[in-house]
Amino acid sequence: EPEVTQTPSHQVTQMGQEVILRCVPISNHLYFYWYRQILGQKVEFLVSFYNNEISEKSEIFDDQFSVERPDGSNFTLKIRSTKLEDSAMYFCASGEYGYTFGSGTRLTVV
Amino acid sequence: AQSVTQLDSHVSVSEGTPVLLRCNYSSSYSPSLFWYVQHPNKGLQLLLKYTSAATLVKGINGFEAEFKKSETSFHLTKPSAHMSDAAEYFCVVSVTFKAAGNKLTFGGGTRVLVKP
Repeated sequence: EPEVTQTPSHQVTQMGQEVILRCVPISNHLYFYWYRQILGQKVEFLVSFYNNEISEKSEIFDDQFSVERPDGSNFTLKIRSTKLEDSAMYFCASGEYGYTFGSGTRLTVV
Repeated sequence: AQSVTQLDSHVSVSEGTPVLLRCNYSSSYSPSLFWYVQHPNKGLQLLLKYTSAATLVKGINGFEAEFKKSETSFHLTKPSAHMSDAAEYFCVVSVTFKAAGNKLTFGGGTRVLVKP
């Protein structure tokens, strides 16, 4: 069964550093998303991406966040200057209805 | 705007007994509704989805859910729990963007414990 692949599974970074979270969506999907789950809180929508541009973003997705599809297969989330409150599990997803999620990247900012 | 409330944060059942996970939703539009499961250290797996067809939806691993518009509910059930059902379950409502794609709004999750 096709999968969404995320790397790395765990990332520890110093506050103020830039991080890039990587995702390989399912190959024939056209819609891509990032969600995050802060420990003990709900899973929250960050951003959706379609036709090589952001189609919707939440108020969480401020100027320190960016997404990119640098080639035909990868979809990345960049956090420019990490803060302690960015520590969370970040999920990539692709598809349109009931889409497929990756296993997540656990980001810890210290 | 849409929202989802999962009425139980934890549910404990004995193996072989029925499971009921309760979910109420609020949506300005006709909703699409989903249940996802997350096993420890795993991703979010789609169990089932409702998209305005039959109100009783069957999913994987023996789970099913019933959409009740009058009660704004989408409860998840399974007749007989198995040890492998121990996981966290999320009720989710979807809205379609103007441009493309869907935005999912998650409930707070229900952690299921299955006792032998």
